[in-house]
Amino acid sequence: EAGVTQFPSHSVIEKGQTVTLRCDPISGHDNLYWYRRVMGKEIKFLLHFVKESKQDESGMPNNRFLAERTGGTYSTLKVQPAELEDSGVYFCASSQVRRGGDEQFFGPGTRLTVL
Amino acid sequence: RKEVEQDPGPFNVPEGATVAFNCTYSNSASQSFFWYRQDCRKEPKLLMSVYSSGNEDGRFTAQLNRASQYISLLIRDSKLSDSATYLCVVSRTGGFKTIFGAGTRLFVKA
Repeated sequence: EAGVTQFPSHSVIEKGQTVTLRCDPISGHDNLYWYRRVMGKEIKFLLHFVKESKQDESGMPNNRFLAERTGGTYSTLKVQPAELEDSGVYFCASSQVRRGGDEQFFGPGTRLTVL
Repeated sequence: RKEVEQDPGPFNVPEGATVAFNCTYSNSASQSFFWYRQDCRKEPKLLMSVYSSGNEDGRFTAQLNRASQYISLLIRDSKLSDSATYLCVVSRTGGFKTIFGAGTRLFVKA
């Protein structure tokens, strides 16, 4: 079974540009999460989809970030316009809610550098 | 105060040693608890869920103390391959709004 995949693996852009990150969850997983790790800090929750609906987007830093999950399959996270502080590693995770907890499987991440 | 706190370490231990990590959480509404392992520049990988009754998986034992709001991870007979960062992860009701600790770094030396 394929794991969570993310594209691109690396992205280097200039301040003010737009970048779109993509996540393909494990097939059949209704839950999809986006996280971000800024250098030297802990992984921070950004938002959570259940199928195509946003369940919780309280972690989104500001309105320059837009996440979508059309059709409840893959998801995109767009940053427009990018700022220097947006640099970091963006992880996507997916899960199928089970009794006893929500065990999430992570993708390899997209390393974003904003110059 | 952070919602999930861990000792950042590093813990430097010889092969074969037993090492224990603790993690405290501040939100009593937390329902689900996990330990993840993260290797350098890699994604977090689930190590084990933590159940109220405690659970064991080979050399790894996890415990949950709801009254004191902490979870622990015990690694017995450490291997070189156990060297990694161990992340304490806590979720609220329904498994949503997952909160990560900053991680505890472990180095196992020959």
